[in-house]
Amino acid sequence: AQSVAQPEDQVNVAEGNPLTVKCTYSVSGNPYLFWYVQYPNRGLQFLLKYITGDNLVKGSYGFEAEFNKSQTSFHLKKPSALVSDSALYFCAVRVLSTDKLIFGTGTRLQVFP
Amino acid sequence: KAGVTQTPRYLIKTRGQQVTLSCSPISGHRSVSWYQQTPGQGLQFLFEYFSETQRNKGNFPGRFSGRQFSNSRSEMNVSTLELGDSALYLCASSRDNINTGELFFGEGSRLTVL
Repeated sequence: AQSVAQPEDQVNVAEGNPLTVKCTYSVSGNPYLFWYVQYPNRGLQFLLKYITGDNLVKGSYGFEAEFNKSQTSFHLKKPSALVSDSALYFCAVRVLSTDKLIFGTGTRLQVFP
Repeated sequence: KAGVTQTPRYLIKTRGQQVTLSCSPISGHRSVSWYQQTPGQGLQFLFEYFSETQRNKGNFPGRFSGRQFSNSRSEMNVSTLELGDSALYLCASSRDNINTGELFFGEGSRLTVL
């Protein structure tokens, strides 16, 4: 079955430390992968995407993600976390056979001062 | 440039009633998709419209329907509301194909069914 998984419901990190939010996927063919962020009482905002090319993708607000085909992962990273990064993060993958976007269940990032 | 606008932002209905939610996409965007967000299920795809045609749909019962107008504005309707329909309904627009491009989301319509 085509799916995307975010294994951690919540990630806690101290301000200034590096952060990683994990995402793994299972799709047929080449995946199109996305990260979105949702702040409280707001809609989702696009952070970055991987379609093809360089495995390291840079996005908004200093975030980046690394596509790893062998591990079927697309983890979101940031070298130095800010309190304002605290939000709900969603990974999404395009399912080629159905042409739909499937979202993960989300990971709540909490950055402590 | 104005973002995606969803109305109403909040509404309360009772079981058995119906509800219509509206979404105005970003100017020039022809694709509008709808998602249901609940704490337990995350984001579930409802349907996508492109140039007034439903291009894709998720696994929701027929009580959930939608349409798109010639100006790309979209509405979704839920009939015979159930308690489980309580959720945040998000609309997203994009220039063309939703799966290769960036989606722009509205702030959502929060529906509470009593």
